[in-house]
Amino acid sequence: NAGVTQTPKFQVLKTGQSMTLQCAQDMNHEYMSWYRQDPGMGLRLIHYSVGAGITDQGEVPNGYNVSRSTTEDFPLRLLSAAPSQTSVYFCASSTVGGGVNIQYFGAGTRLSVL
Amino acid sequence: ELKVEQNPLFLSMQEGKNYTIYCNYSTTSDRLYWYRQDPGKSLESLFVLLSNGAVKQEGRLMASLDTKARLSTLHITAAVHDLSATYFCAVDKTWGGGADGLTFGKGTHLIIQP
Repeated sequence: NAGVTQTPKFQVLKTGQSMTLQCAQDMNHEYMSWYRQDPGMGLRLIHYSVGAGITDQGEVPNGYNVSRSTTEDFPLRLLSAAPSQTSVYFCASSTVGGGVNIQYFGAGTRLSVL
Repeated sequence: ELKVEQNPLFLSMQEGKNYTIYCNYSTTSDRLYWYRQDPGKSLESLFVLLSNGAVKQEGRLMASLDTKARLSTLHITAAVHDLSATYFCAVDKTWGGGADGLTFGKGTHLIIQP
């Protein structure tokens, strides 16, 4: 069972570079989210999607873009990387059955921006 | 704005002891989630608490929810080294559950020493 797959696992960027973090899920979940995790900060929601073609901003969306063209994929784009975007990024998917929103997380992408 | 506060943020305890982690949240919610994260790993769902007075138990871990006090607890009984991890509580942003992500506490870093 693949679940939620994130690539790459590690990435080093220079300030100003752009890149896309990939996320794919094979559970046919409607909902997908991106979080970033910083030391001592817990997880903070960047963007989320309730279905193909529908996305919305979370708590910390600045500097990131998302799109959702298929149910399976939810890529996160860094437009012009900044050192403040050094973090661990987690993608999650869920299906809200009976109002229960258990999120299943990928293994994470560890990003350093120099 | 929904806020989720955990305490303590760091806990070092001996094997065989009991302890409780507390999770307070700032708005009414009837859904509370507990996750576990091992170092360098992703998040794993532990418990979902769906109503006032809900109690869930798995091995040496027991979670409870008091929606009137806006408080959840994660109790550890007779701790063993394998329970060393970071524990997060999270709350649905939307009353009654929804797809717009979870708000996480900062996490409790638990170290259990022999």
